[in-house]
Amino acid sequence: TQLLEQSPQFLSIQEGENLTVYCNSSSVFSSLQWYRQEPGEGPVLLVTVVTGGEVKKLKRLTFQFGDARKDSSLHITAAQPGDTGLYLCAGRQGAQKLVFGQGTRLTINP
Amino acid sequence: SAVISQKPSRDICQRGTSLTIQCQVDSQVTMMFWYRQQPGQSLTLIATANQGSEATYESGFVIDKFPISRPNLTFSTLTVSNMSPEDSSIYLCSVEDPGTREDPDTQYFGPGTRLTVL
Repeated sequence: TQLLEQSPQFLSIQEGENLTVYCNSSSVFSSLQWYRQEPGEGPVLLVTVVTGGEVKKLKRLTFQFGDARKDSSLHITAAQPGDTGLYLCAGRQGAQKLVFGQGTRLTINP
Repeated sequence: SAVISQKPSRDICQRGTSLTIQCQVDSQVTMMFWYRQQPGQSLTLIATANQGSEATYESGFVIDKFPISRPNLTFSTLTVSNMSPEDSSIYLCSVEDPGTREDPDTQYFGPGTRLTVL
């Protein structure tokens, strides 16, 4: 079983639309990170959230950490083709290793 | 944030041969990791590269197949031994930055090495 469940696993939408990607678990995490990976490159860190209920904004991207620190969401407003990529959430439990979700492959069509 | 480079960026290898992947970081880091990403999949941790001691392997990965070196705090190598087509993957080096209180224990990734085994 996957410790971190991401949904949806695939998403294809038109430019200008909004979308939300979810990262859920039954376990509590001390921190959670979101990465974006483009073809031929390694994952690039977008944000780290550490406090329950925390909301962080990165231009058109809004990240939220659940109050209980078991889940997180990534919301993109007015998606653009440059947002296309694989989005990965990864959680850490204390000093434990980072655990990754399955990823959400996002395609934004012009 | 740490800047990580990997060599080679890609390679095509014959079955039964071995390939050594290098990872160089622009600053001294305590924690270095090696991940595998199979086509269309997420990341799976292979091992933690420990400086001055043997690497710590995750379940399903063994030292004979994936020997790792960590001679200092800025460099590590991963060897994929006796390769088969099932080893075709992207191999990623990662380091942990202690970070700040707002962004603690952040991991950064290298660009990856795309390996194809024929």
